[in-house]
Amino acid sequence: SQQGEEDPQALSIQEGENATMNCSYKTSINNLQWYRQNSGRGLVHLILIRSNEREKHSGRLRVTLDTSKKSSSLLITASRAADTASYFCATDARLGRRALTFGSGTRLQVQP
Amino acid sequence: GAVVSQHPSRVICKSGTSVKIECRSLDFQATTMFWYRQFPKQSLMLMATSNEGSKATYEQGVEKDKFLINHASLTLSTLTVTSAHPEDSSFYICSARDLGTGELFFGEGSRLTVL
Repeated sequence: SQQGEEDPQALSIQEGENATMNCSYKTSINNLQWYRQNSGRGLVHLILIRSNEREKHSGRLRVTLDTSKKSSSLLITASRAADTASYFCATDARLGRRALTFGSGTRLQVQP
Repeated sequence: GAVVSQHPSRVICKSGTSVKIECRSLDFQATTMFWYRQFPKQSLMLMATSNEGSKATYEQGVEKDKFLINHASLTLSTLTVTSAHPEDSSFYICSARDLGTGELFFGEGSRLTVL
């Protein structure tokens, strides 16, 4: 399969709670990126973590990367209703095609 | 910052007609652009890699005669959905890799509805 896996597929939380999404991939990578997509809209780039990095922060976002397990996680702290969206991880493979390969995505619903 | 523009953002057409979608890099050059398709509540699936001045490379299962890709300049790639059918209704998204920096940028997507 072209895609990596993300879990959970869907997540519903209350405002103020933290949301954690996980991503697993299959190939060696240069970097891994997380994107957000509101329903019916384009992608918004959130954060990029390089293969030699283990953790990265951006505002309320925290991303981890474990290349030995080929997995990454995205943590959104103190969630807001406006965080409701689908979140995708995408890998930039070291070899082969130069396009990003997207995970299956997590649909996050933040209840006000 | 760098911008990738897609046009049209929405198109509705009758079954059997052809539809052209443009992807432009506005302030950088891109020898390589990528076309993705996204069905409702699903992820983005790579359809093809568009190479400036040469033939596109299609992913397995994507019909090259149905999805015609032309990348005639360093800033423009077009995807033509020929003889569109309702099952081709989808969200089509392009991305372009900046020739200078290697960064990837995505367009806003084009929603195709075939009646």
